[in-house]
Amino acid sequence: GAGVSQSPSNKVTEKGKDVELRCDPISGHTALYWYRQSLGQGLEFLIYFQGNSAPDKSGLPSDRFSAERTGGSVSTLTIQRTQQEDSAVYLCASSVRTGKLGEQYFGPGTRLTVT
Amino acid sequence: AQTVTQSQPEMSVQEAETVTLSCTYDTSENNYYLFWYKQPPSRQMILVIRQEAYKQQNATENRFSVNFQKAAKSFSLKISDSQLGDTAMYFCAFMKLQGAQKLVFGQGTRLTINP
Repeated sequence: GAGVSQSPSNKVTEKGKDVELRCDPISGHTALYWYRQSLGQGLEFLIYFQGNSAPDKSGLPSDRFSAERTGGSVSTLTIQRTQQEDSAVYLCASSVRTGKLGEQYFGPGTRLTVT
Repeated sequence: AQTVTQSQPEMSVQEAETVTLSCTYDTSENNYYLFWYKQPPSRQMILVIRQEAYKQQNATENRFSVNFQKAAKSFSLKISDSQLGDTAMYFCAFMKLQGAQKLVFGQGTRLTINP
């Protein structure tokens, strides 16, 4: 079946613009995660969705970052007034969360470059 | 908070050799999972192997095996008979069983297999 997909694959934007990154999880996966991979900070957790709610958004770096999930499926990560330090690869993962462990399946990521 | 440390930024071995990647972690949890993920240039994070903390037996997956030392908080990955396709970034990751089950990653080790 289809894996986790993300769009766009690459995004170049000017400093100060808003961007939206999209994640389509594997069908039936109730849990969805956003991570950020940057040269300075490595791989870090941003936010976790269970269904449409976000019980853990502790990793969002500032109030310029927000995310939503609709219909228990697609999620959008929005970055307002982008800064150069936002340049990174944004990875999405989804899992079933049944039983003890929900193995996370990752998408290919969106590479964001802020100029 | 949990931390994961990979002390080898880069490693390089010849094809068919055996290589061991190191990982240590810090946690006060008793029940957790540890993972090794592979990230080739395509950016897709691929799960290589996982270890449940309550299992004393080390996990193995074909050419990949781990040496899990719970008391020492050490979790190394051994790749036997290395192949050119093993060239990638390798990330060690920790997951607490409770709550969001978010992954905490190490900084990664860039592994190059030379022909």
